[in-house]
Amino acid sequence: IQLTQSPSSLSASVGDRVTITCRASQDISSSLAWYQQKPGKAPKLLIYAASTLQSGVPSRFSGRGSGTDFTLTISSLQPEDFATYYCQQLNSYSFTFGPGTRVEIK
Amino acid sequence: EVQLVQSGAEVKQPGESLTISCKASGYRFTTYWIGWVRQMPGKGLEWMGIIYPGDSETRYSPSFRGQVTISTDKSISTAYLQWSSVEASDTAMYYCARLTTDDYGHYYYGFDVWGQGTTVTVSS
Repeated sequence: IQLTQSPSSLSASVGDRVTITCRASQDISSSLAWYQQKPGKAPKLLIYAASTLQSGVPSRFSGRGSGTDFTLTISSLQPEDFATYYCQQLNSYSFTFGPGTRVEIK
Repeated sequence: EVQLVQSGAEVKQPGESLTISCKASGYRFTTYWIGWVRQMPGKGLEWMGIIYPGDSETRYSPSFRGQVTISTDKSISTAYLQWSSVEASDTAMYYCARLTTDDYGHYYYGFDVWGQGTTVTVSS
């Protein structure tokens, strides 16, 4: 199963609403997770099962979708949100990651 | 506190063998899958494989099958990633991570706890 993400990068300002899309090459039901990675740090799980917020993650993060099309939305971008975001499918025993979306400061 | 602590940075020459480790604490080691993830310099995340310490069941990404070996030692709550012969293309950061699932272990949710990463440099 292959994952694509769009855009590959974006520039946004603090307070902006940001949406990142992840598309799977075949139906993965709701078996999708989203991660945030900052430079030099390990990834952090944000969302699992497509739309469930991981404990401790701010509510400005939300996930939607099922089947092949998924989105991660940050409702009001904060300075600490500038990072790279990855989706990952967990539907089969090949837990593929998407290529990532870099969110930069405008 | 649940945590995964990885072994330190490694510098190897091509052809050498290498094992890196990931020690778990703060939870029951045998009841969660542990995975390994590669990140080459400036690149994205690549899932390498997972192991269930309870019975050592192991699953590899097709890209890494035959290239590395994943194992555990339950007695010391530690997972390992090993190479028999490293190459320059193995230069990367390697992360271990705990795979969380539903209560029945049938539905995989994601990697909820990560190690700090181990840098591997292979150079002659």
